[in-house]
Amino acid sequence: EIVMTQSPATLSVSPGERATLSCRASQSVSINLAWYQQKPGQAPRLLIYGASTRATGIPARFSGSGSGTEFTLTISSLQSEDFAIYYCQQYHDWPPLTFGGGTKVEIK
Amino acid sequence: EVQLLESGGGLVQPGGSLRLSCAASGFTFSSYAMSWVRQAPGKGLEWVSEISGSGGSTYYTDSVKGRFTVSRDNSKNTLYLEMNSLRAEDTAVYYCAKGAVVYALFDHWGQGTLTTVSS
Repeated sequence: EIVMTQSPATLSVSPGERATLSCRASQSVSINLAWYQQKPGQAPRLLIYGASTRATGIPARFSGSGSGTEFTLTISSLQSEDFAIYYCQQYHDWPPLTFGGGTKVEIK
Repeated sequence: EVQLLESGGGLVQPGGSLRLSCAASGFTFSSYAMSWVRQAPGKGLEWVSEISGSGGSTYYTDSVKGRFTVSRDNSKNTLYLEMNSLRAEDTAVYYCAKGAVVYALFDHWGQGTLTTVSS
């Protein structure tokens, strides 16, 4: 099973600032990596797939990078609606499909 | 517009059974794999099971193998999860999720249905 590890667990950022979230895989997942956003009381929403391709309707301030075992989600200028929990997920080698533990982006 | 609506959750005693349903609309249901993903209270996301578009292939996480069964009725555009021998650790919100075209990731999610296993 591929273990996904996200850091930090919590990120405190001021509106308008840049946020950088990390995701590490226990073995290479190539670029088979997705990012999701989840707001309180809501279902997750797909943001990024293929490590760097934005899903339909996702604003350009969200960008993904990385390959192999190290990945980054960057939010270039945080808006109020971006404060949420972000999860990475690998789909390179499954079952099982595995998620990281999440990074909570909170208002500083 | 893709819509996924889960139902069937509730309170069940340890060792009991429950069947979850997910009614899908807004896309050609039989063309897409579907998954169940759960989230324990205050915890992260955990993939539970996936079924291929035809229903011919099914996959499970180890902790539910032999207890849960995923199925689908493409004539009714409905996904199911039959859960038996339920344990306290199965308590979670269960989300139905639509698979993307060629990848095992999830491009649309339902709002979830809460299953609580407790005596």
